[in-house]
Amino acid sequence: DSGVTQTPKHLITATGQRVTLRCSPRSGDLSVYWYQQSLDQGLQFLIQYYNGEERAKGNILERFSAQQFPDLHSELNLSSLELGDSALYFCASSAGGLASYNEQFFGPGTRLTVL
Amino acid sequence: AQSVTQPDIHITVSEGASLELRCNYSYGATPYLFWYVQSPGQGLQLLLKYFSGDTLVQGIKGFEAEFKRSQSSFNLRKPSVHWSDAAEYFCAVALSGGSYIPTFGRGTSLIVHP
Repeated sequence: DSGVTQTPKHLITATGQRVTLRCSPRSGDLSVYWYQQSLDQGLQFLIQYYNGEERAKGNILERFSAQQFPDLHSELNLSSLELGDSALYFCASSAGGLASYNEQFFGPGTRLTVL
Repeated sequence: AQSVTQPDIHITVSEGASLELRCNYSYGATPYLFWYVQSPGQGLQLLLKYFSGDTLVQGIKGFEAEFKRSQSSFNLRKPSVHWSDAAEYFCAVALSGGSYIPTFGRGTSLIVHP
C-alpha cells in the first residue's frame, strides 16, 4: 500500500459526459501527479501540482483539467468524454516539487470506461 | 525529446530461472533512469533508479540494473525469478537537471511458469 488513495476504482460513463477523479496523496506529500495509461498511448504524464499550484504540464487535453485543494487532495476533471478517453488514470504523490528528485508513490488507479 | 524503448512486449521465464528485461533510451546526455513494476490491479512501484556513479544499481525485491552508456541501455536483471515477480515492468527516463518527471516505455509483461 503506497498510501495514495484514488476514488472511484471504476467508472463507467457515456460519451459526452463529464467525470471527476479524486486523489488523496500520502500524508505530508505536497506534490500530486496525474498519469493516463491506455493501450494506445502507454503511460503518459498529464499534469503536476505542488502545494496547490500547477507546476508541470504534459500531454493533457484541453477537455481535461485538474486542481489541488488546500488539504492537498487533487481532482482530475474530464469533460466531453470520448471513447478514446477510456483508460486507467493514476495519481502519484511525492514529498517535494521540481527542485530535486523525490520518489513518486503511485495510487492503485481509477479505471474509466467510456461507452 | 527523450524516449525509451522496451523491445520485448512479453517475456516468459520458468520459476528459478534468471531474467533480463531490456531497455534502451534515446537522449543526448545521460538521463535519469528508472525501473518500475506494476502488479495486477495496483499502481507502479519504483524498483530502482540510476542518476550517476556506479553503473550497477541494486534495487528492491532482488532486482538490479546496469547502465551502459555506450549502448544507451539500462537492462533490468534478477538471478532467480519467483512466481510473485509476474507483473508489468516499465523502464523510464527523466531529464537530468530537469523536472524529474519520467517518460515511460511501453512496458514488458513478465510471465512466470512454475
